[in-house]
Amino acid sequence: DSGVTQTPKHLITATGQRVTLRCSPRSGDLSVYWYQQSLDQGLQFLIQYYNGEERAKGNILERFSAQQFPDLHSELNLSSLELGDSALYFCASSVGSSTEAFFGQGTRLTVV
Amino acid sequence: AQSVSQHNHHVILSEAASLELGCNYSYGGTVNLFWYVQYPGQHLQLLLKYFSGDPLVKGIKGFEAEFIKSKFSFNLRKPSVQWSDTAEYFCAVNERAGSARQLTFGSGTQLTVLP
Repeated sequence: DSGVTQTPKHLITATGQRVTLRCSPRSGDLSVYWYQQSLDQGLQFLIQYYNGEERAKGNILERFSAQQFPDLHSELNLSSLELGDSALYFCASSVGSSTEAFFGQGTRLTVV
Repeated sequence: AQSVSQHNHHVILSEAASLELGCNYSYGGTVNLFWYVQYPGQHLQLLLKYFSGDPLVKGIKGFEAEFIKSKFSFNLRKPSVQWSDTAEYFCAVNERAGSARQLTFGSGTQLTVLP
């Protein structure tokens, strides 16, 4: 157990819908990262937050947004969902920005 | 922007064979280097990391990696693999300086160990 908690574990939703994925980082970690893992794209970095502020943006679509709250948990919002958004979404956390990241179990999103 | 290349997409070995997985990165500055492992159906777990010091680092489960700065490489090795090492292995890099230090992953190498 890495100490990073993601909910829900599985999510099935229809195209056009909106979902929210939640991540609770390890106690004491200030950085939260979101990654998308799919068979064809591999592990893609989406976005990073550090102590509530957006720190880095990767290949995140405009339909996706995220935030980190004062208690340091983070949410990833995915809207206008398409079939191609089906993937595993991982959250990771680290103490700082350049230390090792610990990953959650992921949320498997299936868009039908 | 930094990038990470893992040239072996799928490696198949018999038990007790030796393993070496290649990882090259492109970034001119100072970096931290990592290897993660993802067992089937599980999340990524840290195998080992290099921040500074001895370029030969030892990780969990008998894995080690060598940082060769001149070659921008951080290859993963294990002298004798076991069936339980079957998993996907990811090399990752992040910058040590700068405000944006996201962890950039390679495309992964699927290792299959035959009993």
